[in-house]
Amino acid sequence: AQKITQTQPGMFVQEKEAVTLDCTYDTSDPSYGLFWYKQPSSGEMIFLIYQGSYDQQNATEGRYSLNFQKARKSANLVISASQLGDSAMYFCAMREGHSKLTFGKGITLSVRP
Amino acid sequence: NAGVTQTPKFQVLKTGQSMTLQCAQDMNHEYMSWYRQDPGMGLRLIHYSVGAGITDQGEVPNGYNVSRSTTEDFPLRLLSAAPSQTSVYFCASSYSPGQITWGTDTQYFGPGTRLTVL
Repeated sequence: AQKITQTQPGMFVQEKEAVTLDCTYDTSDPSYGLFWYKQPSSGEMIFLIYQGSYDQQNATEGRYSLNFQKARKSANLVISASQLGDSAMYFCAMREGHSKLTFGKGITLSVRP
Repeated sequence: NAGVTQTPKFQVLKTGQSMTLQCAQDMNHEYMSWYRQDPGMGLRLIHYSVGAGITDQGEVPNGYNVSRSTTEDFPLRLLSAAPSQTSVYFCASSYSPGQITWGTDTQYFGPGTRLTVL
């Protein structure tokens, strides 16, 4: 079974609007961390936001927030006020306990002017 | 800090050739790892290291070797290149759980090496 699932096809959003990128995960470990990375067309991997399994509040970093629903095992990324520079591939990843990072297959986001 | 650096940025090999992809970090991170990225597959872990002298296999280790003689460097060796190893390779580093408090072990990535095997 996949540990990280990102099933949305390519996503489109109008500039200045908000967009939600979905991520569901599967783990039986009570201690885990969830990460989102951005990969623009230039290819580098950019860390965006982190959520720990014991964190009481949803993580926020500027225009990025993580909608963490533990019971549903979902960790959706919300980007507010989309900008043209947000057009990229977005990866959700999970670390279980203190072990390795597992990535989803990614979602392509295109921001329309 | 330079962060995580990788060389070369691009490489073309012929089947059967060997080469080493270099990775270095200057953040005193104990944990280092190598991933490959293929279209539609996300990033898959090849090998990782939790400190100097300690390495272990990831999800797709076949055809690759690693060593970790220093904290800073973590080279990836392709022993006999095959077309199936055509990919983009990323090196990443982070603090290990013993170094920091829980939750701050974000992995930081190098710029990647685009490898083509003919």
